[in-house]
Amino acid sequence: RKEVEQDPGPFNVPEGATVAFNCTYSNSASQSFFWYRQDCRKEPKLLMSVYSSGNEDGRFTAQLNRASQYISLLIRDSKLSDSATYLCVVGEYGNKLVFGAGTILRVKS
Amino acid sequence: GAGVSQSPSNKVTEKGKDVELRCDPISGHTALYWYRQSLGQGLEFLIYFQGNSAPDKSGLPSDRFSAERTGGSVSTLTIQRTQQEDSAVYLCASSSQGFGEPSGANVLTFGAGSRLTVL
Repeated sequence: RKEVEQDPGPFNVPEGATVAFNCTYSNSASQSFFWYRQDCRKEPKLLMSVYSSGNEDGRFTAQLNRASQYISLLIRDSKLSDSATYLCVVGEYGNKLVFGAGTILRVKS
Repeated sequence: GAGVSQSPSNKVTEKGKDVELRCDPISGHTALYWYRQSLGQGLEFLIYFQGNSAPDKSGLPSDRFSAERTGGSVSTLTIQRTQQEDSAVYLCASSSQGFGEPSGANVLTFGAGSRLTVL
């Protein structure tokens, strides 16, 4: 079983749609959680950290469920510019950060 | 520097040759990571340096791979006797120390990567 698992997609959605991604992790001792965004042939960049209580940043909402060991990302009012690969990242003890393989999002006009 | 700098940006080599990839992290960042990403795949953890602690080498795929970090700053990833399956983008990232509830301190900043092609 992979340490961090994501649905690879692609998710094809129209502009303005709401889309949600889930990510599961296997290590119950994981300490920190993030969503990164990666554009085609570019390096990953931090989208948002995921807090225990859940957090929102504009159109983006992240949730953490420790009991079920999953993280979610909700994107409201999708824009064409949201098209990218979304990487779930889990921090383990000692700061080792493990990346999921990513979920591809394509927003169409 | 202002960001993470990697060199070379592109490297084409013949099977069996050795290659060195360099990473210059953000000044003051104590943590440095190497990942590799094959075409269409996710990021594969290779090695992690944190301050003066022994590096976490658990992701190195074989003994042909090694990395060092001199003076707590610049890091070099060396691949000996390269094979075609080593072809990938090698990404370096750095962060300031962080742990537990996210405070922004454990955020990774990536370099643009070194694209390695082994013929």
